[in-house]
Amino acid sequence: EVQLVESGGGLVQPGGSLRLSCAASGFIFSSYWMSWVRQAPGKELEWVANIRQDGSEVQYADSVKGRFTVSRDNGKNSLYLQMNSLRAEDTAVYYCARGSSGIWGQGTKVTVSS
Amino acid sequence: IVLTQSPATLSLSPGERATLSCRASQSVRSDLDWYQQKPGQAPRLLIHGASDRATGIPARFSGSGSGTDFTLTISSLEPEDFAVYYCQHRGNWPWTFGQGTKVEIK
Repeated sequence: EVQLVESGGGLVQPGGSLRLSCAASGFIFSSYWMSWVRQAPGKELEWVANIRQDGSEVQYADSVKGRFTVSRDNGKNSLYLQMNSLRAEDTAVYYCARGSSGIWGQGTKVTVSS
Repeated sequence: IVLTQSPATLSLSPGERATLSCRASQSVRSDLDWYQQKPGQAPRLLIHGASDRATGIPARFSGSGSGTDFTLTISSLEPEDFAVYYCQHRGNWPWTFGQGTKVEIK
């Protein structure tokens, strides 16, 4: 069964850091672009970042560029999102997705608040 | 690229036809997908490439359009279809979503 499971969310103060993880199973992880998508409470979806199969190319939304870093470990079938200098507006549910194939995890909630 | 969905809310009864619109600020060719989202759930891919149903999606869902104007049609609403629908382009980066159309029970 194809599955993506996010972890690492939680409550963090403004200016703080958090690292999200996504564990993939049921498919050849190294063959796919992977992505992070987020949804602030009551808001529409925002595509945050993409990473190529071998990690050689990454793309970021302007809202997170310079603060967030997407990475992957194909040996561990895992995707990561390092989030630094967090702001209140980064509060959201963060989803891991297998590119644009329609495979999504259930999300992990990040709250940035003092 | 800005995607504008209309209407914001669609109030219909089960069995009725739903027509949702998505307009792009510039051409996205056919690189346009539709998602359904229910409260507390991850989005579910319905349509990819503007008109191709994703795996397991019922035939009552159909997509059309290319360039800047796209339509999602639900031919006869089932109770489980009442949800929020988003269009999303995957042309030039950054990929963006529309603001969503809520299909609610009348």
